[in-house]
Amino acid sequence: EPEVTQTPSHQVTQMGQEVILRCVPISNHLYFYWYRQILGQKVEFLVSFYNNEISEKSEIFDDQFSVERPDGSNFTLKIRSTKLEDSAMYFCASSENLAGGNTQYFGPGTRLTVL
Amino acid sequence: RKEVEQDPGPFNVPEGATVAFNCTYSNSASQSFFWYRQDCRKEPKLLMSVYSSGNEDGRFTAQLNRASQYISLLIRDSKLSDSATYLCVVNWESNYQLIWGAGTKLIIKP
Repeated sequence: EPEVTQTPSHQVTQMGQEVILRCVPISNHLYFYWYRQILGQKVEFLVSFYNNEISEKSEIFDDQFSVERPDGSNFTLKIRSTKLEDSAMYFCASSENLAGGNTQYFGPGTRLTVL
Repeated sequence: RKEVEQDPGPFNVPEGATVAFNCTYSNSASQSFFWYRQDCRKEPKLLMSVYSSGNEDGRFTAQLNRASQYISLLIRDSKLSDSATYLCVVNWESNYQLIWGAGTKLIIKP
């Protein structure tokens, strides 16, 4: 069964450093998403991406964040200058289309720890 | 304000029992509704979409009440493997953005 993959599974970084989280969505999917989940809290939407551009973003997704689809398979989330409060689990998701209610499939996540 | 509310639980339920969760949402324009389950420190996994007419998948039944803006999940003949956190998820104005409840923790006891 096709699945979303994410690397690395765990990233430790120093405050102020840049990190890039990588995702490979399911191959025939057209819509891509990033979410984060701070330990013990809700899953929070960050951004959605379609046709090589951001289609929607939340208040959390400020200028420190950017997304890119550098080639036909990868989808990346960059955090420019990490803060302590960026420590969370980051999930990538993809969906085939928006028809049928937009069923999103999630990757296993990257646990980001900012020291 | 974007609100999806759930009882956090935990619900402690004996194996074989039936358990039900509700979830309320604040946006009357929401069109898509889902239940996901999340095991500890794992990614959310889609359990089922929720359709207007209600739908069933094996031991799981989901219902939508648009007038009262809530959705429900019923689990029959609960199994130990059903222990997880159940997340209520609702789309917002567009289909891109999904808003998540904090989840209801279910513990099935032998």
